[in-house]
Amino acid sequence: DVKVTQSSRYLVKRTGEKVFLECVQDMDHENMFWYRQDPGLGLRLIYFSYDVKMKEKGDIPEGYSVSREKKERFSLILESASTNQTSMYLCASSPTRDSRAPNEQFFGPGTRLTVL
Amino acid sequence: AQTVTQSQPEMSVQEAETVTLSCTYDTSESNYYLFWYKQPPSRQMILVIRQEAYKQQNATENRFSVNFQKAAKSFSLKISDSQLGDTAMYFCAFMKHAGATNKLIFGTGTLLAVQP
Repeated sequence: DVKVTQSSRYLVKRTGEKVFLECVQDMDHENMFWYRQDPGLGLRLIYFSYDVKMKEKGDIPEGYSVSREKKERFSLILESASTNQTSMYLCASSPTRDSRAPNEQFFGPGTRLTVL
Repeated sequence: AQTVTQSQPEMSVQEAETVTLSCTYDTSESNYYLFWYKQPPSRQMILVIRQEAYKQQNATENRFSVNFQKAAKSFSLKISDSQLGDTAMYFCAFMKHAGATNKLIFGTGTLLAVQP
């Protein structure tokens, strides 16, 4: 079974703090994604990565950065957390070419971040 | 740009009955994928069913089936013999066929409650 894990289920931080959210997948997937989920807005893509050290902006990258130094790990960084970044953050991974599960994204359990 | 619309924020169904969740999308692409994902309360998002746009036959996975109307850009999910475990948030999602990065565009979700 594909496993995507996230470093924390719940996190509380203060305004201005630097926040790291980590995601690890164990299926050698090329693609990894970070989303934020807000009520009434669905899931919105923050950043994605299609290879080690490669990254592309999603729909809402402002206030965030990412790092992918190893294939299995994709980190989301909030350089200076703000209250409007309080949200659920979901990580996902997917293979580029896999006949068993073409184009399916596999999700982690999510991190509920509260910024006070 | 592609958009996905789910016009039913919440729905309720009695156990053992059938329910249909609506999804419409807008795209100028001719080939693409459509997905329904399920997010149970406090649990990970999982894929329910996928449809490839070039396939005319509607996808089916056990009690879950879709009604894919390409000309109308409609992609509804039917759940037959509803079970308590079907209670979840359901997201409709769109993916362009071209490219290897598997980016998904999500709708805002429908919260389904199955009543005993």
